[in-house]
Amino acid sequence: DSGVTQTPKHLITATGQRVTLRCSPRSGDLSVYWYQQSLDQGLQFLIQYYNGEERAKGNILERFSAQQFPDLHSELNLSSLELGDSALYFCASSVGTGTGYNEQFFGPGTRLTVL
Amino acid sequence: KNEVEQSPQNLTAQEGEFITINCSYSVGISALHWLQQHPGGGIVSLFMLSSGKKKHGRLIATINIQEKHSSLHITASHPRDSAVYICAVMGRTNFGNEKLTFGTGTRLTIIP
Repeated sequence: DSGVTQTPKHLITATGQRVTLRCSPRSGDLSVYWYQQSLDQGLQFLIQYYNGEERAKGNILERFSAQQFPDLHSELNLSSLELGDSALYFCASSVGTGTGYNEQFFGPGTRLTVL
Repeated sequence: KNEVEQSPQNLTAQEGEFITINCSYSVGISALHWLQQHPGGGIVSLFMLSSGKKKHGRLIATINIQEKHSSLHITASHPRDSAVYICAVMGRTNFGNEKLTFGTGTRLTIIP
């Protein structure tokens, strides 16, 4: 158990809908990262937050957004869902940012199926 | 060409064999992760290393920064080692934060 929690574990929805994925980082970790793992693209970095602020963006679609709240949990919002958004979405957390390198610890993932 | 290349893509071996999985990367990095993903989907971080060698139980990871290459070794392999092993390099974003770029993974199957 990495200490990172994600809810829900599974989510099935229809095209055009909007969903919210939730992540709680390990106690004491300030950075949260979101990743998408699809069959054709593999694992890809989406976005990073540090202590409530967006710090880095990767291959995140405009239909997707995220935020990190004062209690440091994070939410990834996916809207106007398409079949191709079906994937495993992972959250990871690390202690900090910037200086040196901080190991990332992964949550169990949320499996999203868009029908 | 992907920034992170792994080989082999698939590997099947008999229980007890010595396993080597390779990872080559083309970008400057601050560190490299080896990750394990079981069929259930969860990702476990096995190692994070920036130089030299690390050992944990039957697992050994090495990295050569000059050659941009890392290897993951499994000694005395066991069927429970069957999983996908993913190499991920930790680069720098504009703010100097860590961004992971992933290899496509090596699917390892250990036959009893």
